[in-house]
Amino acid sequence: DQQVKQNSPSLSVQEGRISILNCDYTNSMFDYFLWYKKYPAEGPTFLISISSIKDKNEDGRFTVFLNKSAKHLSLHIVPSQPGDSAVYFCAVRVPGGAGSYQLTFGKGTKLSVIP
Amino acid sequence: ETGVTQTPRHLVMGMTNKKSLKCEQHLGHNAMYWYKQSAKKPLELMFVYSLEERVENNSVPSRFSPECPNSSHLFLHLHTLQPEDSALYLCASSRGNEKLFFGSGTQLSVL
Repeated sequence: DQQVKQNSPSLSVQEGRISILNCDYTNSMFDYFLWYKKYPAEGPTFLISISSIKDKNEDGRFTVFLNKSAKHLSLHIVPSQPGDSAVYFCAVRVPGGAGSYQLTFGKGTKLSVIP
Repeated sequence: ETGVTQTPRHLVMGMTNKKSLKCEQHLGHNAMYWYKQSAKKPLELMFVYSLEERVENNSVPSRFSPECPNSSHLFLHLHTLQPEDSALYLCASSRGNEKLFFGSGTQLSVL
């Protein structure tokens, strides 16, 4: 059973408009959430994160919102640019052994920003 | 450039071959990871090494064998793979609880 769900496999947005990517998780004990962005033929790169003690974190054009009661996470990109076209992965952090931690990922949402 | 380098970028192998994937991180991190990304599936964690000790093995078949000789290098040794093992294999590293940095991956095709 998936712990992290991204129900929209793809999203198309006009350049300059807002992109909203959604993510749902199952375990209310998760305490740290991340968004990664992946271009073809490259590994995922970290975009933005949020701790469970906050409900919003902003970094330039990117804002992540956390709704703990709904176990829902969203990423807003505004204004959207063609270079934002990529696959976006939602991830939750799960403590691992000996100081490491694991990330559990959603399946990703492919964002296409149309010029 | 994320500071995590994976080689080779592409690999085609037969089911009877033995090959190895290599990962090197130049970030001074103390944990390294192997993830697998198959088509239309989430990234799946395979192995975690922290301070050169394997701390996680997520029910990965024995035909995948990791090796971490030091904190900067991680290998994934492959033998007698199956066609369904074809996927993108991603290495990542981290320092403690900080975010993961990923390499570009090795696209593996098993014929």
